[in-house]
Amino acid sequence: GQQLNQSPQSMFIQEGEDVSMNCTSSSIFNTWLWYKQDPGEGPVLLIALYKAGELTSNGRLTAQFGITRKDSFLNISASIPSDVGIYFCAGMNYGGATNKLIFGTGTLLAVQP
Amino acid sequence: GAGVSQTPSNKVTEKGKYVELRCDPISGHTALYWYRQSLGQGPEFLIYFQGTGAADDSGLPNDRFFAVRPEGSVSTLKIQRTERGDSAVYLCASSPRGDGLGYTFGSGTRLTVV
Repeated sequence: GQQLNQSPQSMFIQEGEDVSMNCTSSSIFNTWLWYKQDPGEGPVLLIALYKAGELTSNGRLTAQFGITRKDSFLNISASIPSDVGIYFCAGMNYGGATNKLIFGTGTLLAVQP
Repeated sequence: GAGVSQTPSNKVTEKGKYVELRCDPISGHTALYWYRQSLGQGPEFLIYFQGTGAADDSGLPNDRFFAVRPEGSVSTLKIQRTERGDSAVYLCASSPRGDGLGYTFGSGTRLTVV
């Protein structure tokens, strides 16, 4: 099945550092979402973006919807140990018949205290 | 319940056997989705229900996979003649509307075919 290209594949950082990850697609989406998944759990929504060029924040998280509608990035500022997990981007064409999510390949984040 | 409940949490089965995976969505959620997550990958769409009907089953990999939602609430994903390649985490999600927003995922069923 289709998966979006997400990079980097993994990151190992020190507590307090900022983190940036991005996601690209060959297809256009009208909605981009970012999820975090902890071991043994389902993905949990972090941020949703609905308009090209939109920049949205949720606490220490900031995400942007690329103007081409084919990419998005997520920044995490001042990382803390509980930020550890796998981060997934997902594209969706909201308003379509299904509204299914197309997920990225994931970025594994490890934070050393 | 408060969240999406999936049972069992783990299932080990022998190649060739039949398995059923259950999803209890959040009460009142009309939209229900099944996704499959292979090791090291993101979830991939399998099937979408709006109410009792399967509105989109384009993600089901082959005719060994089937899902039902007879009363518009609980859903069962059924896999016949399981193969080792079916091993994955099967995730269910529900949404209060059919617009795909407000997804809540369950914790998944880890299926291992030996």
